Amino acid sequence: DAGVIQSPRHEVTEMGQEVTLRCKPISGHDYLFWYRQTMMRGLELLIYFNNNVPIDDSGMPEDRFSAKMPNASFSTLKIQPSEPRDSAVYFCASSFAGLAYEQYFGPGTRLTVT
Amino acid sequence: GENVEQHPSTLSVQEGDSAVIKCTYSDSASNYFPWYKQELGKGPQLIIDIRSNVGEKKDQRIAVTLNKTAKHFSLHITETQPEDSAVYFCAASRISGANNLFFGTGTRLTVIP
Repeated sequence: DAGVIQSPRHEVTEMGQEVTLRCKPISGHDYLFWYRQTMMRGLELLIYFNNNVPIDDSGMPEDRFSAKMPNASFSTLKIQPSEPRDSAVYFCASSFAGLAYEQYFGPGTRLTVT
Repeated sequence: GENVEQHPSTLSVQEGDSAVIKCTYSDSASNYFPWYKQELGKGPQLIIDIRSNVGEKKDQRIAVTLNKTAKHFSLHITETQPEDSAVYFCAASRISGANNLFFGTGTRLTVIP
């Protein structure tokens, strides 16, 4: 069975450009989480959804970041405009409502903003 | 909010030896403690977890222990193998309510053949 799918795996863009990261959670999972991983700050939760509804976005760094989940099988994380300090690995994770605390991570998107 | 500290940041062991990674947490309401293994270029993979109503849990060569009074929990890997080399993260959360996972800073384990 497929795990969490993320695309693209690598993204290199110039400062000021819009970046869109995509995630397909595990089928049947009700929760979707977006994390950012950097050497300095480790793994940080940015936002999470339950049944496609954003529940907690307190980790979103600033208004340049936005996330959507239009349906149960797709979510996007958008950065506009991007800045060099946004360079990081972005992970998507999902979990099943009955075991919402057991999160399964995707392979991540490595973002480099030059 | 919850604060999870993890030690050591790096650990090197000889193949066949045991490895122990320790974490402490601050929020007494946390009751779920997973451990994740992250290999190079991959996402964190859940390898074992423990809930606060259990003091110890074992799965083949890995075990976790929890001391809820002292607010610390540990990962034990016995008979280490080169494929155990990775970064290990502990985390703390609550089973009910908010489902945020608060992660430790990671331990880079190197198993020397």
